[in-house]
Amino acid sequence: DAKTTQPTSMDCAEGRAANLPCNHSTISGNEYVYWYRQIHSQGPQYIIHGLKNNETNEMASLIITEDRKSSTLILPHATLRDTAVYYCIVRKGYSTLTFGKGTMLLVSP
Amino acid sequence: DGGITQSPKYLFRKEGQNVTLSCEQNLNHDAMYWYRQDPGQGLRLIYYSQIVNDFQKGDIAEGYSVSREKKESFPLTVTSAQKNPTAFYLCASRTSGGETVGGYTFGSGTRLTVV
Repeated sequence: DAKTTQPTSMDCAEGRAANLPCNHSTISGNEYVYWYRQIHSQGPQYIIHGLKNNETNEMASLIITEDRKSSTLILPHATLRDTAVYYCIVRKGYSTLTFGKGTMLLVSP
Repeated sequence: DGGITQSPKYLFRKEGQNVTLSCEQNLNHDAMYWYRQDPGQGLRLIYYSQIVNDFQKGDIAEGYSVSREKKESFPLTVTSAQKNPTAFYLCASRTSGGETVGGYTFGSGTRLTVV
């Protein structure tokens, strides 16, 4: 599976959009981009995934660049409860998920 | 409600003792996984099972054992051979329906401390 690169930490003001970047320059054509988040001492929570088109669900939006070498997770109106570690993962087929250290997002009042 | 249940939430073990962590799911998922997480680190895969009565080693299987006798259950045994067992253990499951059905569902974890 392709490797991903994420910033170690980010800050966001409550109510503003949080834009979390992820680089995956070695992604191959059949690999999906997944996003999870983990609130302290809990199990990770699935957020969203996509292949090449932009995706949106009730939690977030996923923007994948045309060359698929990077993506951005957007939380449109961040709340304090969105404070968590966010993991960007690239995966193909039925291969297992490989978690890096992710981005620690701190949402402040 | 469907989900994954891990028990116990906290577990203390004396050095040299084996201990078994429970993971049960009622999501009718085919695949189940065990991950280990150390402070400030990402998750590392211990074992996984795609189907009943079959399982594969992950990246850090040494000192651990699993069984998959029922679809709903995937217990993990931490043996005395595991050199640094103190960690946060997470169980996950996933349907085999393909990429369009979404991601893994995780349990709430078991925090194991060796004393």
